[in-house]
Amino acid sequence: QQQVKQSPQSLIVQKGGIPIINCAYENTAFDYFPWYQQFPGKGPALLIAIRPDVSEKKEGRFTISFNKSAKQFSLHIMDSQPGDSATYFCAATSNDYKLSFGAGTTVTVRA
Amino acid sequence: GAVVSQHPSWVICKSGTSVKIECRSLDFQATTMFWYRQFPKQSLMLMATSNEGSKATYEQGVEKDKFLINHASLTLSTLTVTSAHPEDSSFYICSARRGPVAAFFGQGTRLTVV
Repeated sequence: QQQVKQSPQSLIVQKGGIPIINCAYENTAFDYFPWYQQFPGKGPALLIAIRPDVSEKKEGRFTISFNKSAKQFSLHIMDSQPGDSATYFCAATSNDYKLSFGAGTTVTVRA
Repeated sequence: GAVVSQHPSWVICKSGTSVKIECRSLDFQATTMFWYRQFPKQSLMLMATSNEGSKATYEQGVEKDKFLINHASLTLSTLTVTSAHPEDSSFYICSARRGPVAAFFGQGTRLTVV
């Protein structure tokens, strides 16, 4: 049973578009929400993370929006590039430091 | 970000043999490391939590006698797949916790059992 639900499973955008990936959780003990980017055959790389006391965080072209009351958070990739084509995972953790991952979203950015 | 190195990147072994995978934190000390398994086009599944100097904690359904984990130092954890069978073929990934919560992942090990 996945504690973090992620959607969509895949999406395709044109270069310059803004892919948006959504995640939802139920466990209110979660207090740290990272996003990871994974290329085929590689381990996940930490992109950006947020805590529930912040509603938005930006790092470069990546933005997390967080809605604590709805228990939802999302990743926006601004001005997407073909090199952003990868699988993105949202995750959540609490004080046991174990990461609960979403199912993943495969993003394809077409040139 | 922090560097976590995993070795080997890929390994092929015969059924019935054992394989050891190493996970090293290169530029920080990691009191806690995690081992994951990932099937093609699927998410990461946590197998166990490895704490330096103590026994690993395994997730439900993971055979601790099959997947031996040792965390002998603050920079090294190892996963040994014992008596490997073709169904153990998978992508194994470790992560190391740095600071309060941030987890950094190794590059993964592709295990193929023939």
